[in-house]
Amino acid sequence: NAGVTQTPKFQVLKTGQSMTLQCAQDMNHEYMSWYRQDPGMGLRLIHYSVGAGITDQGEVPNGYNVSRSTTEDFPLRLLSAAPSQTSVYFCASIDRDDEQYFGPGTRLTVT
Amino acid sequence: GENVEQHPSTLSVQEGDSAVIKCTYSDSASNYFPWYKQELGKRPQLIIDIRSNVGEKKDQRIAVTLNKTAKHFSLHITETQPEDSAVYFCAASLSNAGNMLTFGGGTRLMVKP
Repeated sequence: NAGVTQTPKFQVLKTGQSMTLQCAQDMNHEYMSWYRQDPGMGLRLIHYSVGAGITDQGEVPNGYNVSRSTTEDFPLRLLSAAPSQTSVYFCASIDRDDEQYFGPGTRLTVT
Repeated sequence: GENVEQHPSTLSVQEGDSAVIKCTYSDSASNYFPWYKQELGKRPQLIIDIRSNVGEKKDQRIAVTLNKTAKHFSLHITETQPEDSAVYFCAASLSNAGNMLTFGGGTRLMVKP
């Protein structure tokens, strides 16, 4: 059981580039989420999904897109990277008792 | 939406002393309140959680209390050890977002040997 996996671990982008952060889980959880964590701050919800084909916006969705074609995968797309998107990104899957299982994170720098 | 405030932002205690971190929340419909420990460069790890139908929960040296009327909850760590040094986050569920979480700003706990 790998739990929640994220790739890549580190990424450097130039302003204006696009990329997709990958997230996968093997626990058959219906609910998944993306958070970002800026230095010295708590996590903030970007987007979430309550099942395949269903996504919704969180607190800070601008500049990001998500899709959920399968239960296992929940990729996060940056459409046109900006320095303000420099952050650590955590994906999580949530069990029926609301416990969030976080992935190891992706550290993104936009120059 | 939900707003969670956490205090203090830093806390320094002597090994063996107790540490208390407090959080307030705004959404009276929130029903799930987890606490996370995060070490440098690592993912948040759940250390204890409490639901709105319970006033207190304990797990060895860690306890959480919840006051629904006042909309605040607290983390208590007794007999602190140097390995308790980390950043601690409280969170509250978002009743309008599938019980996803909104986080407090974090407390850096330093336990001096």
